[in-house]
Amino acid sequence: GENVEQHPSTLSVQEGDSAVIKCTYSDSASNYFPWYKQELGKRPQLIIDIRSNVGEKKDQRIAVTLNKTAKHFSLHITETQPEDSAVYFCAASTPNSGYALNFGKGTSLLVTP
Amino acid sequence: DAGVIQSPRHEVTEMGQEVTLRCKPISGHNSLFWYRQTMMRGLELLIYFNNNVPIDDSGMPEDRFSAKMPNASFSTLKIQPSEPRDSAVYFCASSPLDGGGKNEQFFGPGTRLTVL
Repeated sequence: GENVEQHPSTLSVQEGDSAVIKCTYSDSASNYFPWYKQELGKRPQLIIDIRSNVGEKKDQRIAVTLNKTAKHFSLHITETQPEDSAVYFCAASTPNSGYALNFGKGTSLLVTP
Repeated sequence: DAGVIQSPRHEVTEMGQEVTLRCKPISGHNSLFWYRQTMMRGLELLIYFNNNVPIDDSGMPEDRFSAKMPNASFSTLKIQPSEPRDSAVYFCASSPLDGGGKNEQFFGPGTRLTVL
């Protein structure tokens, strides 16, 4: 089955700096890669996703890049703010699995003022 | 729309008791997923349904776990008998999966289960 590795497990940045979280996946059939943000005690919420037919997608301060050949994708957050502090999960899914999500272990991001 | 609804939000029970978790997906969504979240194992898929039919239950940890979806607006996850290691947050998520590329999953608020 699909195996998703996520790094780093914790990340601390100063407000205004950029944060980068990286994930790798194992199943070449995976073609949908969402990123979820989870605040303490809350549900995971989708912040951005990318499909395998594109290499990059951007939404304001958030961007995701995908390298299908290397089977890795990354989340980039620019101009970080304290409210960006949360746990971020990457995931990969395939159409054959009904797009059930295989999650990475998560990255705890702390943005200090 | 109220989003995905789960009940109860919190459940505390004793080892050996039966536990039933409930989920109402977003109206019109035809895929439903049950996930479990723990510190040690992260977010794991337990089972998913497509058009009320269970498609993949390979993530269900043991025969003590069972899930049903009797209709498009209701699903249950049952643990019988429960054990302390079942303590976790259980999330239900639904997705339109309309074949047009819209496969975002919307998560419910979760049920925090504690088995003593």
